[in-house]
Amino acid sequence: KAGVTQTPRYLIKTRGQQVTLSCSPISGHRSVSWYQQTPGQGLQFLFEYFSETQRNKGNFPGRFSGRQFSNSRSEMNVSTLELGDSALYLCASSTTGGNSYEQYFGPGTRLTVT
Amino acid sequence: AQSVTQLGSHVSVSEGALVLLRCNYSSSVPPYLFWYVQYPNQGLQLLLKYTSAATLVKGINGFEAEFKKSETSFHLTKPSAHMSDAAEYFCAVSLLTGGGNKLTFGTGTQLKVEL
Repeated sequence: KAGVTQTPRYLIKTRGQQVTLSCSPISGHRSVSWYQQTPGQGLQFLFEYFSETQRNKGNFPGRFSGRQFSNSRSEMNVSTLELGDSALYLCASSTTGGNSYEQYFGPGTRLTVT
Repeated sequence: AQSVTQLGSHVSVSEGALVLLRCNYSSSVPPYLFWYVQYPNQGLQLLLKYTSAATLVKGINGFEAEFKKSETSFHLTKPSAHMSDAAEYFCAVSLLTGGGNKLTFGTGTQLKVEL
């Protein structure tokens, strides 16, 4: 089975721009979660989507948004980029969610904001 | 609120020596706990998980972890370190909320393996 794929792998944007990141989950997985990883804050939960609905949301400003399509693929968008948004953005998929279902992570998208 | 604390941001061991990475959790309900490993410029790979079935959990690459409720700990061990084990390791607790799954991670432990 193919793993979680994320595109693009690397991205450089300018402050004030917006960006869209894409995630394709493992086939059959319906839950997709997004995490931000930075040296200062570590790994932080952004949001989770299941069956095209946002099921959970972390403590991030409204500039961070996402969506999920009927094929379970997900995108996250960051508007009005700030220097502090530079991070590795990780997508994870799981079967139906819930505590016992482990999450499988993609390789991440490295976003650099200049 | 559920959380995990990883003691030691950097651990250095000799090749062939025991690896011990510490993780303590805080949870008001029986937790689901995970260990992930991250190699440079890669995502997270699941090493093992605890979901209350057995207190001693065996994972991939020779790693195992023991859930100790009395100590609220879930330390990761490997009897003999290999150079390829050098990576960053994250302990995480799962919070069931809204019918979904949210992982809360520790701050990570960078493992260095020396010859």
